[in-house]
Amino acid sequence: GAVVSQHPSWVICKSGTSVKIECRSLDFQATTMFWYRQFPKQSLMLMATSNEGSKATYEQGVEKDKFLINHASLTLSTLTVTSAHPEDSSFYICSPKQGQETQYFGPGTRLLVL
Amino acid sequence: KQEVTQIPAALSVPEGENLVLNCSFTDSAIYNLQWFRQDPGKGLTSLLLIQSSQREQTSGRLNASLDKSSGRSTLYIAASQPGDSATYLCAVKSMETSGSRLTFGEGTQLTVNP
Repeated sequence: GAVVSQHPSWVICKSGTSVKIECRSLDFQATTMFWYRQFPKQSLMLMATSNEGSKATYEQGVEKDKFLINHASLTLSTLTVTSAHPEDSSFYICSPKQGQETQYFGPGTRLLVL
Repeated sequence: KQEVTQIPAALSVPEGENLVLNCSFTDSAIYNLQWFRQDPGKGLTSLLLIQSSQREQTSGRLNASLDKSSGRSTLYIAASQPGDSATYLCAVKSMETSGSRLTFGEGTQLTVNP
């Protein structure tokens, strides 16, 4: 299967700071990137979808100015949580897809905002 | 809007038992259905993918069935082992106005006791 990495795997930050999460597809080119969020004991909820070189499309209720997504290349996408607050503490998972092929999932990044 | 429900939410069984996890979805116009495994604090591992034209898929001790018309899928695990303990997620790929997307259920947390 495809290799997807996320960095960092764990991050703890103070309220008000910004956190950047990187997602890399190591052995294929991701034309589409999905970002999910998972709160404890809940399922994955889609936050936004981005296509390489285009602006991301955000789901209802997800603030685009708070969760900045950059998909500048076919192998790298970043999610920046700006001015993080404790309620942003969650597990963030990226999911790259190449064309109409299988959608793969990163190992996730756990964010804890104090 | 597609909704996915998984029953039961949690299941605890002794080692060696055969068990069935259930998944139901509201919109039968799907592309495929996928079962994932998620270990605590980890990303997703794809177990089985069933295309909308298929009725079942098998991999080792796992068998997944799909009844698209009734909006149901089951994941059958034979001869369960403690290593099978994890959360099992069902996800349906369907077409929405914003494009195709995966909709996840909330998962079944499985514990297999030695």
